[in-house]
Amino acid sequence: EIVLTQSPATLSLSPGERATLSCRASLSVSRSLAWYQQKPGQAPRLLIYDASNRATGIPARFSGSGSGTDFTLTISSLEPEDFAVYYCQQHNNWQITFGQGTRLEIK
Amino acid sequence: EVQLVESGGGLVQPGGSLRLSCSASGFAFSSYAMHWVRQAPGKGLEYVSGIVSYGGSTFYADSVEGRFTISRDNSLNNLFLQMSSLRAEDTAVYYCVRVLTGYYYYMGVWGKGTTVTVSS
Repeated sequence: EIVLTQSPATLSLSPGERATLSCRASLSVSRSLAWYQQKPGQAPRLLIYDASNRATGIPARFSGSGSGTDFTLTISSLEPEDFAVYYCQQHNNWQITFGQGTRLEIK
Repeated sequence: EVQLVESGGGLVQPGGSLRLSCSASGFAFSSYAMHWVRQAPGKGLEYVSGIVSYGGSTFYADSVEGRFTISRDNSLNNLFLQMSSLRAEDTAVYYCVRVLTGYYYYMGVWGKGTTVTVSS
């Protein structure tokens, strides 16, 4: 099983700042990686797929990069609604796993 | 509007069984692979199971293999998860998920979830 490790566990920033979230895979997943946002009491929402493609309706301030084992989700300028938990997810021949999540909180 | 509505959650004793259902609407259900993802209280997301569009292939996380069975009825636009030999660690919100169009593995549309509690 491929393990995804997200860092940091918690990120404290202010609105308007840039957020950089990391996801590292225990084996190469090529570009088969997605990012999700989850707000309290809500289901997750797909943000990024195939490492760098924004899902429909996702603002341009969200971007993804990386390949192989190291991936990054960047939020260029934080809006109040961006404070949430973010998960990465990989797939490898129907073996699907999620990272443990990064909590993005208001400083 | 694409909608996924889960039902069937509840309180069950350890060792018991439960069947979750997911009613899909607003899209061509028979054309999409579907998944179940769960989230234990205060914890992260955990992949549970998936099924291809025609139902011929199914996939399970190691933690549920042999205990859970995923199935679908494309004529009724329903997805199911039959859970047996339930354990306390199966306690979670269970989400029904439709894949992103054109993909098998990315979780494009999520239901609101149904809560399963395994306790005596």
